[in-house]
Parts: sequence; structure tokens; C-alpha cells
Amino acid sequence: NAGVTQTPKFQVLKTGQSMTLQCAQDMNHEYMSWYRQDPGMGLRLIHYSVGAGITDQGEVPNGYNVSRSTTEDFPLRLLSAAPSQTSVYFCASSLDTRRNEKLFFGSGTQLSVL
Amino acid sequence: AQTVTQSQPEMSVQEAETVTLSCTYDTSESDYYLFWYKQPPSRQMILVIRQEAYKQQNATENRFSVNFQKAAKSFSLKISDSQLGDAAMYFCAVSGTSYGKLTFGQGTILTVHP
Repeated sequence: NAGVTQTPKFQVLKTGQSMTLQCAQDMNHEYMSWYRQDPGMGLRLIHYSVGAGITDQGEVPNGYNVSRSTTEDFPLRLLSAAPSQTSVYFCASSLDTRRNEKLFFGSGTQLSVL
Repeated sequence: AQTVTQSQPEMSVQEAETVTLSCTYDTSESDYYLFWYKQPPSRQMILVIRQEAYKQQNATENRFSVNFQKAAKSFSLKISDSQLGDAAMYFCAVSGTSYGKLTFGQGTILTVHP
């Protein structure tokens, strides 16, 4: 199994550009989420989804959009990139969130916004 | 709201010695779970150990064990017989029963000296 796959691994954007961070999992997990990791702040939840067609906001959702059209994919969209969005982004999934199953993380995307 | 505090930004230990990483948390949930994740330089997030709050017995996984003090809301990680491969950033996290959203601490960088 590939697990959780994130692309790209690195990206540099200019302020105002838009892009989509891709996330796919092949474990048939219902729950998927996006976190950002910043120095001294740990990981913070951006958006999450408990199943296809269902998404909700986390702690820091502003400037990001998500959709969940299939169980496998959960892309994160930056509509107009800002320097404050420079961060490392992690996608994570778990089988059944209500049982607080282990989170499986992707390898992360390092994003720089100039 | 949930909060997690890791008061030690950096720790160091000699190979084969024991080190304890501190974590305190706050949550309004009556049933929750606590986690320690390891992030080596590869950036991959790896689950080290998990504790269910309703279980009084401290969790152990080989050389890793926790000291869970529910009344004090403390959840420290003890690494015994430290190895060079233990060098990493360690994150403490708490999850309630609502959709498994994890709240992470700021992280502790562990250095292991040969």
C-alpha cells in the first residue's frame, strides 16, 4: 500500500498565485485532514472531512478551500497565496475517527510564498 | 477548546541513557486520547505511543513509556536506552471524541549524543 501520498513535495509561489496541494490515500479511510506546521507552533488543523461530500473547518481555515468528491482524494486549495501561508503542509487520514484511530500522515509539502 | 503545552523546546540525552519529555494539556472532553508522535529529519510523522484517558494503566511500547497523570493533566514520555535513531522532534497531542481532531503541542527537539 502507498498509504497517504502528497504532491508536490516542494513548491514556491508568488504572492497572489493560486495552487492545489494534492492528497490521496488508498486505505479506504473515511477521515482525512490537512494540517500546517510552523516553527514553535506545532501542527494546526486547517480543514477536515469525515467522508465523501462532507468537509468542515479546523483551527486555521482562512485562505484555504477543500473538497471531498471521492473517498480517496482530499485536495487543499490556496486561492490567493500570501507570505503567511509559507509552511509545511501535512495531509492525514484515519479509518474511523470516532474510535480515535491512529492518524496516517503523508510526507508533507514544503510551501514558500514570496 | 483544547490546548497542549510542551515546555521543553530542546532536550538532549546520551546514548543508552533515559530521557523524559514533558507535556501538559487541557481539554473539556470527558473521554479523550493522548498521543506522542515522532518527526525525524525525513519529516514523516510517526506514532510512538497512544494512551486512552479512561485507562489508568500507563501505555508502553518497547523502550517508550508514558507517565499519565489525569488529575494533573500531564502526559510525559520516557525513552529508555536511548538510541541515535531516537533523535527527532517529538509532538504531544490530544484528541477528543469529536471527529478525531488532534491538537498538537509545540514540539520538543531531542538530540542523542553518542
